Amino acid sequence: QVQLVESGGGLVKPGGSLRLSCAASGFTFSDYYMSWIRRPPGKGLEWVSYISSSSSYTNYADSVKGRLTISRDNAKNSLYLQMNSLRAEDTAMYYCARVDWNSDYFDFWGQGALVTVSS
Amino acid sequence: QTVVTQEPSFSVSPGGTVTLTCGLRSGSVSTSYYPSWYQQTPGQAPRTLIYSTNTRSSGVPDRFSGSIFGNKAALTITGAQADDESDYYCVLYMGSGIWVFGGGTKLTVL
Repeated sequence: QVQLVESGGGLVKPGGSLRLSCAASGFTFSDYYMSWIRRPPGKGLEWVSYISSSSSYTNYADSVKGRLTISRDNAKNSLYLQMNSLRAEDTAMYYCARVDWNSDYFDFWGQGALVTVSS
Repeated sequence: QTVVTQEPSFSVSPGGTVTLTCGLRSGSVSTSYYPSWYQQTPGQAPRTLIYSTNTRSSGVPDRFSGSIFGNKAALTITGAQADDESDYYCVLYMGSGIWVFGGGTKLTVL
């Protein structure tokens, strides 16, 4: 069965960096686009970034462009989110999700990793 | 900046029917946006309900249905149950690998 397991969350000071990972299993990871989505406390879900199956294409929400970088290692069945210059408003639960490219939606989700940006 | 609109909250009686909507601040929602719907309860990961406007995800009961209603996407829950009390989010695909979530609707069943 499809499993997505995030790790790497934690407490970081404003301006600091953090790297999230998402370990995928139960499907051929290299065949699928992937995405990161977040939910700040008390707010709704926000799409953050996506990456194509071969890493040829990426895109980002305006709120994170230039600070967060998505990447993947198909040999390790892993998705990453490098988070730099973190701000308090980046505090959120971060979910990795598999993208069904035929219908442009998120068909499987991980349980999430909590990132807290605070001094 | 694209803004996707949803009702902030909605209430339905057990056994009742409710329709949640998903619109665009500027423009109309069509099937070309591949609207999808997700349910999230506190402390849980989101669950995929509907994709491509009206296709139910595997395992989703048929009392959940999606449609285009006027110039909006819509999620209808028929015969609401207590455990349908959740946050519901629609997402529109804008092309070029960009998605936009609506602000979510908090559904209360009482």
